[in-house]
Amino acid sequence: AQTVTQSQPEMSVQEAETVTLSCTYDTSESDYYLFWYKQPPSRQMILVIRQEAYKQQNATENRFSVNFQKAAKSFSLKISDSQLGDAAMYFCAYRSYTLTQGGSEKLVFGKGTKLTVNP
Amino acid sequence: NAGVTQTPKFQVLKTGQSMTLQCAQDMNHNSMYWYRQDPGMGLRLIYYSASEGTTDKGEVPNGYNVSRLNKREFSLRLESAAPSQTSVYFCASSEGGGGGAEQYFGPGTRLTVT
Repeated sequence: AQTVTQSQPEMSVQEAETVTLSCTYDTSESDYYLFWYKQPPSRQMILVIRQEAYKQQNATENRFSVNFQKAAKSFSLKISDSQLGDAAMYFCAYRSYTLTQGGSEKLVFGKGTKLTVNP
Repeated sequence: NAGVTQTPKFQVLKTGQSMTLQCAQDMNHNSMYWYRQDPGMGLRLIYYSASEGTTDKGEVPNGYNVSRLNKREFSLRLESAAPSQTSVYFCASSEGGGGGAEQYFGPGTRLTVT
C-alpha cells in the first residue's frame, strides 16, 4: 500500500518570503499522480497543484511550484512571495495512475503541514 | 453551480444515536467519496463509490454504511454513534474513469459524539 509522509507538522514564513514544504511517498508503482491541497481555516479543501509522475517537468501554478524527484520519491511544494492568505494546512496526496480494484481514484493523504505566515 | 454540498455542517450526537450525513454534487461526476479528518491524521477514506450503483470500503469503514442514492447523491450513515467517530467528515467527487482529474470536496461536517 502507498504511504505519504509529511515530516514538518508546522512551518512558518515571513510575508513575501519563500517557504518549502516537504513530502515523501512510498510506492512500487511507476505511474501515479501527486497533489498538494490547501485547507484554510474555513475547512474547504482546495487543490493547489498536481504532478503527473511520467512528466519530468515540475508543475507550476503562479507562486506555487513543486520539486518532484521521482527516484527519491520526494514531492516538495515551494511557495514564493508568501501572502497572509497562504496560511493554512497543506496536504500532500498520492493517487495511482490506474484505477484501483473497484474503479476508484482514491487519494492517500499525508498528515499535513500547518503553515503560518507572519506579517 | 454549487459543486459539492454537505448537510448538516455541525452535529452533536449522544453515544448510540444514529444519523445520516448527506452529500450531493452537481458536476455530473461518476465517483464519490467519504473521508474523515482527525487532528494529526490527515484525511482517511471511509467508503467510496466509483460509479452509480457501486460502493466499496476504504481504509476505515467500521461503524459506517453508505448509500449511492443516484448519480448525484452519496450518503454516510452512522448506525450507533461512538465517541471515536467524533471527527470532521468530508464528501468529495471526481469524474472517475482514470486520468488526473482532481477531487472536489464539500465544506465538511463537524460531528461530535458525547
